Amino acid sequence: NAGVTQTPKFRVLKTGQSMTLLCAQDMNHEYMYWYRQDPGMGLRLIHYSVGEGTTAKGEVPDGYNVSRLKKQNFLLGLESAAPSQTSVYFCASSNGQVHGYTFGSGTRLTVV
Amino acid sequence: QQQVKQSPQSLIVQKGGISIINCAYENTAFDYFPWYQQFPGKGPALLIAIRPDVSEKKEGRFTISFNKSAKQFSLHIMDSQPGDSATYFCAASTDKLIFGTGTRLQVFP
Repeated sequence: NAGVTQTPKFRVLKTGQSMTLLCAQDMNHEYMYWYRQDPGMGLRLIHYSVGEGTTAKGEVPDGYNVSRLKKQNFLLGLESAAPSQTSVYFCASSNGQVHGYTFGSGTRLTVV
Repeated sequence: QQQVKQSPQSLIVQKGGISIINCAYENTAFDYFPWYQQFPGKGPALLIAIRPDVSEKKEGRFTISFNKSAKQFSLHIMDSQPGDSATYFCAASTDKLIFGTGTRLQVFP
């Protein structure tokens, strides 16, 4: 049972570079989410999707873009990385009921 | 602005003791209050959850106490074990989860 898979697990970027984080779920969940986790700040919602082809902004969307072209995939893009985007990124999916959140194991991103 | 405030930031408890983590919220529209447990290098996992029409929920050694009038809820871990050492997050939701800042719990033998 794969659940929620995030790739890559680690990445180092230079300031100004771009990259895409991939989240894939095999549970046929409608809802998908991207969070970032920073020390002392908990998990903050970046963007989320309530179904294929939809996206919406969360608490901290600036500097990020997302796409949900296929139901099972949710992509998080950084067009021009900044050191402030150094963080651990978590993807989650749910069946529409809040208690059904399943998290991936995270992507640790460092921007130098 | 932190919608869900969590304390303490860190907690050290002796094996067999009681661990207590507190959270407070402002938005009265929140209708679901889960607690998540996270081990190093892993994503958070649902531990226990409560809805505001219930004042207490217990699952094994874990209990949520909920005070709707005070807009506060807490997690109690009875008979704390070294294996409980992890980071705990409270959260609140209407349609999406808003997390607290986390509490790092260390249980020493």
